[in-house]
Amino acid sequence: QIQLVQSGAEVKKPGASVKVSCKASGYAFSTYDINWVRQATGQGLEWMGWMNPNTGNKVYAQKFQGRVTMTSDASITTAYLELSSLRSEDTALYYCASGVATAGTSSFDYWGQGTLVSVSS
Amino acid sequence: QSALTQPPSASGSPGQSVTISCTGTSSDVGGYNYVSWYQQHPGKAPKLIIYEVNNRPSGVPDRFSGSKSGNTASLTVSGLQTEDEADYYCMSFAGSPPYVFGTGTKVTVL
Repeated sequence: QIQLVQSGAEVKKPGASVKVSCKASGYAFSTYDINWVRQATGQGLEWMGWMNPNTGNKVYAQKFQGRVTMTSDASITTAYLELSSLRSEDTALYYCASGVATAGTSSFDYWGQGTLVSVSS
Repeated sequence: QSALTQPPSASGSPGQSVTISCTGTSSDVGGYNYVSWYQQHPGKAPKLIIYEVNNRPSGVPDRFSGSKSGNTASLTVSGLQTEDEADYYCMSFAGSPPYVFGTGTKVTVL
């Protein structure tokens, strides 16, 4: 079955960087965009950006431009989100998400379980 | 890009219907038929329940329906059940940047 499995929780100090992974299985990884969405505790969902594992094309939300890097390694069907210059406001649950069965409809039918990133001095 | 506007809360008794609005602009909700809705239970990842305004993924009960008029999309949950108590988010394609989420609505089953 289709799964997106993310790496474990991270604790970082302000100013540091974090890299979260998203391991895909059960479908043709390179065919579908991977999106990253974050959710601060008790808050709503925030789209951060997407990348296409096949072409390497990526689009980042303006809010994260200059601090975010999305990459992938097709050989291990894994996507990565790296966020730098962390601040306390970046403390959140980070999700990867993709539209596989609903490809082409601008929706996300598969989500990872989320990775908690905590930023604290 | 501002978040789409949803009411913070909505409620209904079991068996009743509840409708949640999602208001955007002509640059997002009004400009494309790419509105999706997500259900999120506490501690869980969001789950897609409606895509392209009014389509349900396989396995989603037909109690969930979507619509759109102008810059406002709506999600209706008919025949409310206790398991429908959750947070609901709309999302729209918006060109550039591509996606924007709604502010979220907490649905309570009384």
